[in-house]
Amino acid sequence: NAGVMQNPRHLVRRRGQEARLRCSPMKGHSHVYWYRQLPEEGLKFMVYLQKENIIDESGMPKERFSAEFPKEGPSILRIQQVVRGDSAAYFCASSPRGARDQPQHFGDGTRLSIL
Amino acid sequence: SQQGEEDPQALSIQEGENATMNCSYKTSINNLQWYRQNSGRGLVHLILIRSNEREKHSGRLRVTLDTSKKSSSLLITASRAADTASYFCATAGAQKLVFGQGTRLTINP
Repeated sequence: NAGVMQNPRHLVRRRGQEARLRCSPMKGHSHVYWYRQLPEEGLKFMVYLQKENIIDESGMPKERFSAEFPKEGPSILRIQQVVRGDSAAYFCASSPRGARDQPQHFGDGTRLSIL
Repeated sequence: SQQGEEDPQALSIQEGENATMNCSYKTSINNLQWYRQNSGRGLVHLILIRSNEREKHSGRLRVTLDTSKKSSSLLITASRAADTASYFCATAGAQKLVFGQGTRLTINP
């Protein structure tokens, strides 16, 4: 059973471009979470999705950022018109049910660098 | 603001010694989880302790939870070089996990 798969592992964009980060959850997991991590810091929650629905997006900036988890295919975190401050590692996690009683399974992240 | 705060921020010990990390949080929780992160990798779940539990063991790991003090501790016994990593506590509310800043543990051979 493959783990959480994120791609690409590294992504370089110039200011103003778009970044698309993909996450395929573990098989059978319908709950997906996106986190952002700056060097030497903890993970900051961005958004929680359950197949086709956004459950909680309280940690995601209202402008330029969007997330989706379609019925078929991976979850996508999209950052439009990237700025230098978007440089970070973005992690995706999945679980079979919500966070209330379940550990989360993490991918190895996408490291986004903005030139 | 972050729910969990780990202490110490960094810990360096000799192989074979025990390592203790602490986590404090602010609001009520359903459970508290500990994760490990190796450099350049994602987080790996170590142990989950529910709010009605006081202590839990898994191999060389021992986790305690004191809900009256809103604190938890992670003890790693007989440390090994491979235990070198960052360790994070995360508190679970109704919908999501909130992570602390982490403790960077270095095991010296």
